[in-house]
Amino acid sequence: AQSVTQPDARVTVSQGASLQLRCKYSYSGTPYLFWYVQYPRQGLQLLLKYYSGDPVVQGVNGFEAEFSKSNSSFHPRKASVHWSDSAVYFCAVSAYNQGKLIFGQGTKLSIKP
Amino acid sequence: EAAVTQSPRNKVAVTGGKVTLSCNQTNNHNNMYWYRQDTGHGLRLIHYSYGAGSTEKGDIPDGYKASRPSQENFSLILELATPSQTSVYFCASGGGGVFFGKGTRLTVV
Repeated sequence: AQSVTQPDARVTVSQGASLQLRCKYSYSGTPYLFWYVQYPRQGLQLLLKYYSGDPVVQGVNGFEAEFSKSNSSFHPRKASVHWSDSAVYFCAVSAYNQGKLIFGQGTKLSIKP
Repeated sequence: EAAVTQSPRNKVAVTGGKVTLSCNQTNNHNNMYWYRQDTGHGLRLIHYSYGAGSTEKGDIPDGYKASRPSQENFSLILELATPSQTSVYFCASGGGGVFFGKGTRLTVV
C-alpha cells in the first residue's frame, strides 16, 4: 500500500539553528515527492518537489531536500531557521505531478527565540 | 500562481442538514480535489475530478458527494451532515503541481 510517514509530530529548534525534517514513503511505482508548508489558518503552499534527475532539489524559503531511492526518503533541510518558518510541514507522494496526493500526518515546527 | 478560491471560509451546520462547499479555480486545470484535514491524519482525499462532468471517489468518500459542473467549479456536498464531518476541508487543483485553497472550516452541531 502507498503511504507516507513523518516520524516527528513536533520539532523545536532555536532561531538560527539548522533544521532537518524527515519523510519516508512506501510507493510501488515511480514516486513524485512533495513538501508543503501550512501557516496558521492558511492553505498548503508548495515548498519542494522532486520528479527525477538530480536527487538534491532546491525549494523556496532556503529549503532544499535530498531524495534517496534506496532509503525511500525525501528529507528537507534548511541551514538557518527563522521564526517565520514556524508552521506545519507535510510530505506527500503521488503517481505524477498533477496526481492524487497521499500525505503524511505533518510535522509542526516551532522556533525558539 | 494558480488561484483556488473556496467558499464559505467558515460554516456551522446542524446535524442532518445539507451542506455544500464550493470551489473555483481560474487556471484551467483539468484535475480538482477535495481533502479533509484532521489532527493526526494529515489530509485525506474525499473526491476528485478529471474534468467537467467527472467525479471519482477518493479514499474516504462515504457521506460525501461531489459535483463538477464546469472546468472552474467543483463542489463537495454533504446531504446529511453529521458531527463526525466537522473538519477543515481543502479544495485543490492540479496542473504542473497541485495548488490548494485556503480551506473551509465546517462545524456540524
